[in-house]
Amino acid sequence: AQKVTQAQTEISVVEKEDVTLDCVYETRDTTYYLFWYKQPPSGELVFLIRRNSFDEQNEISGRYSWNFQKSTSSFNFTITASQVVDSAVYFCALSEVFYGQNFVFGPGTRLSALP
Amino acid sequence: DTGVSQNPRHKITKRGQNVTFRCDPISEHNRLYWYRQTLGQGPEFLTYFQNEAQLEKSRLLSDRFSAERPKGSFSTLEIQRTEQGDSAMYLCASSGQTPGNEQFFGPGTRLTVL
Repeated sequence: AQKVTQAQTEISVVEKEDVTLDCVYETRDTTYYLFWYKQPPSGELVFLIRRNSFDEQNEISGRYSWNFQKSTSSFNFTITASQVVDSAVYFCALSEVFYGQNFVFGPGTRLSALP
Repeated sequence: DTGVSQNPRHKITKRGQNVTFRCDPISEHNRLYWYRQTLGQGPEFLTYFQNEAQLEKSRLLSDRFSAERPKGSFSTLEIQRTEQGDSAMYLCASSGQTPGNEQFFGPGTRLTVL
């Protein structure tokens, strides 16, 4: 079955620190997609990054980077040099291709970046 | 504004009343999704449409819940005989048809059942 776990409920960092958000997933599908979304205090979910199951190359986009490891079913997300505006709840999500394409979201990690 | 819109943004109702929410997706998106989010939790999938066809429904969607997308554009989610446990944020999202497309979310409708 599909499942996404985000073990970190809340994280607090001081501005300019790097922070890594953990995500572990379970899937029965061989083809799937992983996502990170941000939900700021305003409430609207904002898409950040996507990775498909065939591409384990880790990438950097601005201050964001991600580490996808199929061997450990993990899809971790790092914010470099955090800023106060990064304060939000971050959700990891999984979308299988062959077993229904709805998203399964993790419970979220609340990040507080303090000045 | 070409994003996903939802109306109303807030709804307060008494237990036992029926409520209906509307979602207008991004115009070129043929997939539309409904989710429910309670405090401190991630969004939970309820149902999704491809054009006007409802392709999947979660077991969370009891028979008091019904969703429609009659012309493949906007969608409505109706909850009949509301219960206090229905209090939540109801989120709508839309995407293209290609597997793995990101979903774009609306601002949500917050339902409070008294």
